[in-house]
Amino acid sequence: AQKVTQAQTEISVVEKEDVTLDCVYETRDTTYYLFWYKQPPSGELVFLIRRNSFDEQNEISGRYSWNFQKSTSSFNFTITASQVVDSAVYFCALMTTDSWGKLQFGAGTQVVVTP
Amino acid sequence: DTEVTQTPKHLVMGMTNKKSLKCEQHMGHRAMYWYKQKAKKPPELMFVYSYEKLSINESVPSRFSPECPNSSLLNLHLHALQPEDSALYLCASSRRDSLLGTQYFGPGTRLLVL
Repeated sequence: AQKVTQAQTEISVVEKEDVTLDCVYETRDTTYYLFWYKQPPSGELVFLIRRNSFDEQNEISGRYSWNFQKSTSSFNFTITASQVVDSAVYFCALMTTDSWGKLQFGAGTQVVVTP
Repeated sequence: DTEVTQTPKHLVMGMTNKKSLKCEQHMGHRAMYWYKQKAKKPPELMFVYSYEKLSINESVPSRFSPECPNSSLLNLHLHALQPEDSALYLCASSRRDSLLGTQYFGPGTRLLVL
């Protein structure tokens, strides 16, 4: 069975603060893929990043950074110097070679950035 | 270009109506997906098409009928829906033929069943 846990339901920050979103996953597969998506109030799910299980290199893209640690089954996401436009629901998701096309989403974390 | 388009953006229908949702992509993707998302919940997979053939049906009630007329187009036909079917319906497509590709989502159709 596979599972994604996003324990934080909602995080509220003031603009320019950093915010870290936690994601813990469970799978017995040795090959799997992890994703982060952003869903603003408009509803569209926007793809942010994909990580393969065999690639533990962390990544930075502008104000976004991701920390993938297989030892703790975590794939955390940090927004540096948050902006109001970062307000959205962020979903972590898992796909395994067994699931073939099925994304297992976490419950999502609502990020609220106030000016 | 990672654009997936969906029409209509909003739809209100009665329980006896028949309506269709449309999804289109011109990225040459060969896998397309329908998801249903209730408020404050993550998306739930409904159907997966690969090379215009239905690959996965997540035990969706028959009042939802998917159709993939060609590799760029995916429809979801709705008939005799219930109020609890009110939700955001998201379409996605992915590039890799093995269905392990990254899924790119459209803006969704917000459906209200009265």
